[in-house]
Amino acid sequence: QVQLVQSGPEVKKPGASLRVSCKTSGYIFTKFALHWVRQAPGQGLEWMGWINPGNGNTRYSQKLHDRVSISSDTSASTVSLELSGLRSEDTAIYFCARDSFGPTGPYNWFDPWGQGTLITVSA
Amino acid sequence: DIQMTQSPSSLSASVGDRVTITCRASENIANYLNWYQQQPGKVPKPLIYGTSILLSGVPSRFSGSGSGTEFTLTISSLQPEDFATYYCQESYRSRLFGQGTKVEVK
Repeated sequence: QVQLVQSGPEVKKPGASLRVSCKTSGYIFTKFALHWVRQAPGQGLEWMGWINPGNGNTRYSQKLHDRVSISSDTSASTVSLELSGLRSEDTAIYFCARDSFGPTGPYNWFDPWGQGTLITVSA
Repeated sequence: DIQMTQSPSSLSASVGDRVTITCRASENIANYLNWYQQQPGKVPKPLIYGTSILLSGVPSRFSGSGSGTEFTLTISSLQPEDFATYYCQESYRSRLFGQGTKVEVK
């Protein structure tokens, strides 16, 4: 079955960078876009960006575009998220999620999701 | 970026109630609208894609409608397992989410 397994929780200092990985299995890695979403404590879902592992193309949210980078390693079927210049507001659970599409129309949604990685930014 | 706005931010309802959540997009997104349900401490679960297409296993009490900039998620008869937070998401340009609607016990 399709699985997305993320790296473990981390504590980071303000100003540092984070790197979270998402290892995929159970499907052809290059056929589906992968996204990163975060959720601060008690808050909603925030889409951060995506990568097309087939060609390496990326797109980032306007809010984070100057601090975020998403990369992929086809040989390892793994996508990674890097976020620089961390501040306390970046404390959140970070999720990877795969695009899915069905037989009806040109639509995409997120399924499955990784289990989430808690990143805590604290001095 | 497209802005997605949900209303209300929260609502209180009882089992058996009909519940409606609205999602508005800042520009025309045709039918590129998804809905998710998130229980506390859990990963979001997709419910509906393409505005109104129910994913496999989603109860028929859930329905979606709308087009362009205004969309609705309706739960026809609220069940105990439906108390959760619901998010809309556009898939027209990127994958931006609304801010969520928490459905609480009245």
